[in-house]
Amino acid sequence: DARVTQTPRHKVTEMGQEVTMRCQPILGHNTVFWYRQTMMQGLELLAYFRNRAPLDDSGMPKDRFSAEMPDATLATLKIQPSEPRDSAVYFCASTPNGPSYSTDTQYFGPGTRLTVL
Amino acid sequence: QQPVQSPQAVILREGEDAVINCSSSKALYSVHWYRQKHGEAPVFLMILLKGGEQKGHEKISASFNEKKQQSSLYLTASQLSYSGTYFCGTAPVQDASKLTFGTGTRLQVTL
Repeated sequence: DARVTQTPRHKVTEMGQEVTMRCQPILGHNTVFWYRQTMMQGLELLAYFRNRAPLDDSGMPKDRFSAEMPDATLATLKIQPSEPRDSAVYFCASTPNGPSYSTDTQYFGPGTRLTVL
Repeated sequence: QQPVQSPQAVILREGEDAVINCSSSKALYSVHWYRQKHGEAPVFLMILLKGGEQKGHEKISASFNEKKQQSSLYLTASQLSYSGTYFCGTAPVQDASKLTFGTGTRLQVTL
């Protein structure tokens, strides 16, 4: 049963610290998304990659957030420095190699629950 | 801009039907529906493409009215397992690569 995996599942840190979240997409999926979910804003798209290349990161605060795909099996989302308003659940999702992003099913990972004190 | 979902919350008795609506101010290329249970990840239900198609998955079906930029999710003979928060995600024609999710509809099915 292929699944998207994310680590860590929970992270508590203090304001100003660096946070790195990792995602392993389903093997063979070529598009990876990062979302943030909060009660106030709901599910927001932060960035996404296709074939490891960043296609859109307009939803991401540029000054403190960065996303990369060092290889096809790993996507990372980094926050430096972290702030209390970054507290949220961060989801990674992947889609198979389809004709376009908009028609592919997105498979979500279990999420990383981040708390910044 | 986020699509608007209605109702925000609904409580059903097992066996009853429900309709969840999703409305966008933009011309849409596709609408995606997901269900999320508390503390879990969203799970894909179905995708509808422009063209006004209707899809079904067991007792859950959906329609897409391209002229009104609206989609509706129909849950028939609800089961306890249907409880959760339902999200629609919309991809606009101008930028079919971007999915924007609605604020969600919380559905609770009781005995």
